[in-house]
Amino acid sequence: ILNVEQSPQSLHVQEGDSTNFTCSFPSSNFYALHWYRWETAKSPEALFVMTLNGDEKKKGRISATLNTKEGYSYLYIKGSQPEDSATYLCAFDNQGGKLIFGQGTELSVKP
Amino acid sequence: DAGVIQSPRHEVTEMGQEVTLRCKPISGHNSLFWYRQTMMRGLELLIYFNNNVPIDDSGMPEDRFSAKMPNASFSTLKIQPSEPRDSAVYFCASGEDGQAFFGQGTRLTVV
Repeated sequence: ILNVEQSPQSLHVQEGDSTNFTCSFPSSNFYALHWYRWETAKSPEALFVMTLNGDEKKKGRISATLNTKEGYSYLYIKGSQPEDSATYLCAFDNQGGKLIFGQGTELSVKP
Repeated sequence: DAGVIQSPRHEVTEMGQEVTLRCKPISGHNSLFWYRQTMMRGLELLIYFNNNVPIDDSGMPEDRFSAKMPNASFSTLKIQPSEPRDSAVYFCASGEDGQAFFGQGTRLTVV
């Protein structure tokens, strides 16, 4: 059974705070790690696809790093804004063709 | 492209009835996924197709669930008979090269 774990489960921060959360995944048979952003009442939206150990991707104030040898990825948000409030999902891809999602980290940013 | 289109958006049905959820993937995508979102389990993969062929249905909870993909532009997920514990949001996603694009989901309530 492939286990993808995210922590923390939820996070409440003030506007302007920087924050980060973790995705842990099996370190064997790694192909790719995906990050998605999921706003309430919408569908998950792809943020990053990461494939190489040591990869670092950035999109505006959001960035992510990848360590495939130890099986974790961090997502960072710099200077959180209320519009960043969403659930952030990671998904593990072992080239079996399917994405296994973690439970997500629910981020709430208060103005 | 209009993205992944799911119908209906909401479905309320009585226990024991048959329910059919529909999905139109993004044209040209070779993978199609059905996911179920619940509070307890998060986003669970039910089944995925590659080039219209079911590759892995190990996530389908019971024989009451079945999925078909008769052609590259259409898939159905059927529950027969439905039970209250099937109440959830069901997402369809299509993808290419491992990246999934999600539909808006169908919120199913079985009473």
